[in-house]
Formats: sequence, C-alpha cells, structure tokens
Amino acid sequence: AQSVTQLDSHVSVSEGTPVLLRCNYSSSYSPSLFWYVQHPNKGLQLLLKYTSAATLVKGINGFEAEFKKSETSFHLTKPSAHMSDAAEYFCVVSDDRDDKIIFGKGTRLHILP
Amino acid sequence: SQTIHQWPATLVQPVGSPLSLECTVEGTSNPNLYWYRQAAGRGLQLLFYSVGIGQISSEVPQNLSASRPQDRQFILSSKKLLLSDSGFYLCAWSVGGSYNEQFFGPGTRLTVL
Repeated sequence: AQSVTQLDSHVSVSEGTPVLLRCNYSSSYSPSLFWYVQHPNKGLQLLLKYTSAATLVKGINGFEAEFKKSETSFHLTKPSAHMSDAAEYFCVVSDDRDDKIIFGKGTRLHILP
Repeated sequence: SQTIHQWPATLVQPVGSPLSLECTVEGTSNPNLYWYRQAAGRGLQLLFYSVGIGQISSEVPQNLSASRPQDRQFILSSKKLLLSDSGFYLCAWSVGGSYNEQFFGPGTRLTVL
C-alpha cells in the first residue's frame, strides 16, 4: 500500500533564505512522485515530477527535489525564497500498477519579509 | 492547447438541496478525469475518477455521485446536500495512468448552510 507523509503542516522562512519542504513516502513498487503548488482559492499546478529517471528533479520557479530511495524521501527545496512562493504545497505518490494516487495533507509555506 | 473549465466558481446552497457541478476539458481526447474535495485542514481527497464515458470509480462512500455523459465532460451531483459537503471541489484531467501529471481546474467553492 502507498502512503505519503508531509512532515510539516506549516513552514515559515524569510524572503531570500532557503526553503525545505519535507515529504516521505511508502510504496511497494517503484513510485512516481510529484510536487504540486496551490495558491489561495486556485487549482493545483505541477512543480515537478520524478518517474525513475534522474534522482534530482528540477521544476518550475527554481524548485527542485531529490528522490532518495534509501530514505524514502522526496523533499522539495529552493535556494532563495520569494514572496510569490507563499502557497500550499502537496507531495503526491502514485503507482501505475494499481493506478492509485495519494496526496499528502499539504504544507503551507509562509514567506516573511 | 488544453484547458479545463469548472463552474460555478462559488456556490452557496441550503442543506437538503441538490447539487450539480460541471467540469469540461478542451484540447484533448479520452482523458482520465478526477473529482477531488479539499476541506479545511484535511488535504485533498479523491472522490471519483473516470477512464472513459460512463465509467466511474468511487473512492469514498458518500452522498455524492459522478457522471461522464461525454468524453470531456464530468459532472458531480448530489440529491440532498449535507453540511459536511462544504469544501473546495477540484476537477482534474490526465492522459494515461496515474504516473502522468494531472491538470487541475480553478475549483468550485461550495458552502452548505
């Protein structure tokens, strides 16, 4: 069975400092992993995805994530936060063997001026 | 290019009234379609998904139903709304299996009073 855990429900960082949003997953098979961003009262937008190619995945808006199988983690990072990064971020795991998609509960990122 | 539409954007309904939310996709054929609900503090919950016309899979038992009368149309319905049906409803589409990116609509904010 698959599961995904976002370790922090809220993260606050100052503008210009690094961002780290943590995600751990559990999957019986080789998973696909995604990060989505949601701005207030909007739909979700894909930031990046991992599908068994390079373990370091670069996404939009300067975000990247590293797939670490030994740690079952897929943490999202950005070197320097911008005010426009304030949003909710969802880590997602899926397995095309059973076509299930599991969303994490989300992490709300706050950017302090 | 592909686009996804949802309407209405906001809706306020009394308890016990019916519901119909519509989602349409343009620019693609035979998409997988999804309905999600996002309630405050509870993350994203998959309600229904469809891999083709008339094919609906339900993920959770509830008083909601879904239909797919046309290839690119997905409708979420209820005969009698409950207070607990309040939330932000998101429609999404993808091509192929769960390992592919999902594209989300702008959402419908439903308040049941």
